[in-house]
Amino acid sequence: AAGVIQSPRHLIKEKRETATLKCYPIPRHDTVYWYQQGPGQDPQFLISFYEKMQSDKGSIPDRFSAQQFSDYHSELNMSSLELGDSALYFCASSFGPLPWSPLHFGNGTRLTVT
Amino acid sequence: KNEVEQSPQNLTAQEGEFITINCSYSVGISALHWLQQHPGGGIVSLFMLSSGKKKHGRLIATINIQEKHSSLHITASHPRDSAVYICAVRKGGSEKLVFGKGTKLTVNP
Repeated sequence: AAGVIQSPRHLIKEKRETATLKCYPIPRHDTVYWYQQGPGQDPQFLISFYEKMQSDKGSIPDRFSAQQFSDYHSELNMSSLELGDSALYFCASSFGPLPWSPLHFGNGTRLTVT
Repeated sequence: KNEVEQSPQNLTAQEGEFITINCSYSVGISALHWLQQHPGGGIVSLFMLSSGKKKHGRLIATINIQEKHSSLHITASHPRDSAVYICAVRKGGSEKLVFGKGTKLTVNP
């Protein structure tokens, strides 16, 4: 069965560069969540989208922006990268934002900022 | 104090042992998730609970809403069960998950 696809799997950038992470949800899933997991840390919620509209916002820096497109894939844009942005970025998807919707996670994009 | 507390932080077992990982939370929730994270990072959703008990193969998850506590049990543990097991809750009225610190399980042959 198709799963949540994230690209790229690994990304190396220098400080002050920009990065774009992509997330393709499971077909027919209309809700996407982004999480950031720093080294040795538990994942922290960044932002979520439902039907192409932002539905919830967490600890996402102003340097980051995200959107969900008409095909429900989502992109996380990160500018003026800092060393502290090095982390594993997870995307998850669900069908609807209902509290009982099962979540499916992607394998993550590991971003290294040098 | 973290809103989601897991215990133990680290757990080492011999193959075949029965394993229990505990999760306590301090907030109102609409659902609780048990997740498995392998080295390399990928997260797999094992269970989503809002009440009672669920079983899938050798894995059993229970939740007691009144006591704000959940347990994940692994029967007949196997080295391939070695991973980090994470409890995450969806707070009532919010879509985001709040994660526990995880329990690192190592099952030795």
